[in-house]
Amino acid sequence: SAVISQKPSRDICQRGTSLTIQCQVDSQVTMMFWYRQQPGQSLTLIATANQGSEATYESGFVIDKFPISRPNLTFSTLTVSNMSPEDSSIYLCSLRVVGTGELFFGEGSRLTVL
Amino acid sequence: GNSVTQMEGPVTLSEEAFLTINCTYTATGYPSLFWYVQYPGEGLQLLLKATKADDKGSNKGFEATYRKETTSFHLEKGSVQVSDSAVYFCALSDLTGTASKLTFGTGTRLQVTL
Repeated sequence: SAVISQKPSRDICQRGTSLTIQCQVDSQVTMMFWYRQQPGQSLTLIATANQGSEATYESGFVIDKFPISRPNLTFSTLTVSNMSPEDSSIYLCSLRVVGTGELFFGEGSRLTVL
Repeated sequence: GNSVTQMEGPVTLSEEAFLTINCTYTATGYPSLFWYVQYPGEGLQLLLKATKADDKGSNKGFEATYRKETTSFHLEKGSVQVSDSAVYFCALSDLTGTASKLTFGTGTRLQVTL
């Protein structure tokens, strides 16, 4: 198993501002993933954070809105830029176990945009 | 593309009742299948998994069998407890390519009452 720590755990933000979410893991991993869980909905993959290269974004998500950093094998950040109430969600960091495809998740960062 | 279909909730049961949450999937190849659980106010936790046809995953009294012929991975528990109240997500992992992504179902909320 892996220990994944996310900060902040929750925040209330004003429209038009940006917030950076941090994800720290206790072991070196090649791939980290960022998911979004909108209220009452399932999880949607935002992007794959690759160490040493640009993140790979899923359809419907763009770098200008969700810039991602991956400076080393144990850390990643996701920024939600120019927030609107539609960005109110839980944002989850996850990592993949090689071989089984199993993902471990952080506890998530619950953002509320007013 | 890949997809996961879960029965809609909420599912409300009395304690000690039998639980079934249906999950069917569409995928190319041979995905791994997972059930994740999200307790109130917490992040996602892996409940159980199966990586090939006819495998049975089990944990905490929950079971699910990977049925390739019916493309199903139904979650069952013989006797639920109040503490099982949570949202349950069925998911599949596509291991093709350089990154495996999890595709989630929409989640099924289980409420267990005394």
